[in-house]
Amino acid sequence: EIQMTQSPSTLSASVGDRVTITCRASQSIGSWLAWYQQKPGKAPNLLLYKVSSLATGVPSRFSGSGSGTEFTLTITSLQPDDFATYYCQQYNTYSTFGGGTKVEI
Amino acid sequence: QITLKESGPTLVKPTQTLTLTCTFSGFSLSTTGVGVDWIRQPPRKAPEWLALIYWDDDKRYSPSLKSRLTITKDTSKNQVVLTMTNMDPVDTATYYCARRLKGLFDYWGQGALVTVSA
Repeated sequence: EIQMTQSPSTLSASVGDRVTITCRASQSIGSWLAWYQQKPGKAPNLLLYKVSSLATGVPSRFSGSGSGTEFTLTITSLQPDDFATYYCQQYNTYSTFGGGTKVEI
Repeated sequence: QITLKESGPTLVKPTQTLTLTCTFSGFSLSTTGVGVDWIRQPPRKAPEWLALIYWDDDKRYSPSLKSRLTITKDTSKNQVVLTMTNMDPVDTATYYCARRLKGLFDYWGQGALVTVSA
């Protein structure tokens, strides 16, 4: 079973900051990596897929990079609506989520 | 417009079997490439993938929970049912169903909180 490890688990930031979240897979997943944003009481929402492709309606301040086992999500110029929890997901083999990164003020 | 909605008991007792139904609209589970998954999320924890059923009735389960899970579909009713046996308090979570397309969960239900307690 593929394990996904995210870091950091919590990130304190301010509006306008550049934020980077890291996700590591326990084995190579190629480019089958997605990122989701979740706000309290809501289901996760797809942000990026295949490492760096933006889902419909997602602002361009979100970007992704990486391949194999190391991946990053970057948010340039953090906006108030971006304070949330972010999860990576591998979909190379069924699905596994990372432990999450809470971006807080 | 694509929607999914989970339904089932909010409270189950330990050792009981949980049955959850996902009723969806706006897509067909007979369309090639489409799947419906169940994912759960314990309070303040990360989502955990549980099971998947594809348009062709191919089924996949989380290896760690495989012995307790069964997923079925009723294409005519636009429903997917998940059963989980031998429930335990650690299974307390919000249970989501989601549409899978090309491996991604592009539409999710609102979630159903299930509490396991005597």
